[in-house]
Amino acid sequence: SQQGEEDPQALSIQEGENATMNCSYKTSINNLQWYRQNSGRGLVHLILIRSNEREKHSGRLRVTLDTSKKSSSLLITASRAADTASYFCAPLGNNRLAFGKGNQVVVIP
Amino acid sequence: DADVTQTPRNRITKTGKRIMLECSQTKGHDRMYWYRQDPGLGLRLIYYSFDVKDINKGEISDGYSVSRQAQAKFSLSLESAIPNQTALYFCATSDFGGPANTGELFFGEGSRLTVL
Repeated sequence: SQQGEEDPQALSIQEGENATMNCSYKTSINNLQWYRQNSGRGLVHLILIRSNEREKHSGRLRVTLDTSKKSSSLLITASRAADTASYFCAPLGNNRLAFGKGNQVVVIP
Repeated sequence: DADVTQTPRNRITKTGKRIMLECSQTKGHDRMYWYRQDPGLGLRLIYYSFDVKDINKGEISDGYSVSRQAQAKFSLSLESAIPNQTALYFCATSDFGGPANTGELFFGEGSRLTVL
């Protein structure tokens, strides 16, 4: 399946620490996207990495992509309490985005 | 105003009732989607539409129907609601085929449906 699978599915860290989430997928992709969802709200696009890119940065976010291993990671540096949310990876292949089950991150003040 | 607007935001109904969830967008995107979110199951695609004359089934279309009334409007209907359709429903649009063409999705705030 194309669906992304996040790991770990739940993460609890102290404010100021880094949070790292991993995502694996099974088919070839055009790009891979990460989304964030605050409790009960709509998903918001965070960052996109194309299949020919290996690393990308946006503010405190760093995403990597290893197409040979069909995996991606999202790093949030210097986490804040406001980063508490669920994070979803979504590989784009065959013109469709397929969401994983999400990774719940809790940042403790 | 939100780019993707869903109504109603919350709805409680009874088994067997017909329910319509509406979605409108000001993004100017051709592609629109309906997803369902259940705890622990992530987002699952119900239906999607690439333009006004195009409707496609997603992973879990049984028990649902859609209507694309205009480029900006995409409605989801439950003809006879059942309790296991209790979920959070999201409408989304995509920039696929547009200038950016990344496939990025823009979500509404969701419609929480409870079927008793």
